[in-house]
Amino acid sequence: AQSVTQLDSHVSVSEGTPVLLRCNYSSSYSPSLFWYVQHPNKGLQLLLKYTSAATLVKGINGFEAEFKKSETSFHLTKPSAHMSDAAEYFCVVSDRRNQFYFGTGTSLTVIP
Amino acid sequence: EAGVTQFPSHSVIEKGQTVTLRCDPISGHDNLYWYRRVMGKEIKFLLHFVKESKQDESGMPNNRFLAERTGGTYSTLKVQPAELEDSGVYFCASSQVRGFSGNTIYFGEGSWLTVV
Repeated sequence: AQSVTQLDSHVSVSEGTPVLLRCNYSSSYSPSLFWYVQHPNKGLQLLLKYTSAATLVKGINGFEAEFKKSETSFHLTKPSAHMSDAAEYFCVVSDRRNQFYFGTGTSLTVIP
Repeated sequence: EAGVTQFPSHSVIEKGQTVTLRCDPISGHDNLYWYRRVMGKEIKFLLHFVKESKQDESGMPNNRFLAERTGGTYSTLKVQPAELEDSGVYFCASSQVRGFSGNTIYFGEGSWLTVV
């Protein structure tokens, strides 16, 4: 069975400092992993995805994530937070039927 | 190109009433999904259409929920009768390629349902 655990429900950073949103996954085979972002009153937007190619995945808006099989992790990072990054972030794993399993979400606050 | 669109964006209904949510997928996308997030919980899968056929409806919570996709275009999700625990955000998503793990799914902005 597939599942993801987002280790932090809330993360708060100062503008201009690095962002780290943690995600651990469980999968019975080589997984496909995604990060989605949801801004207030908006839909879910794809940030990036991993599908067994390069382990370091670059996404939109300066975000990237590294797939680490040995640690079963897929943490999301950004070198410098911007006010517009304040949103809720979801780590997602998909199974062979392309059914998505969501984490519980991490709410990111950016302090000016 | 238009994205996944959902209607209504917000709905407030009384317990026992009926609500119908509509989703228009991206044009040409055969796969259509419904997900839901109830307050404080994770986003959960409800069902998956491939064209007009229900591929997987294992996530539907009970028989008060009915989803249709006539003609393989737009889909509706009806809740009848609505209960308080049905409150939440209902997301629709679509994708183009079937049977491929890692296929990107594109989400709509959600229909926010409040049952009072």
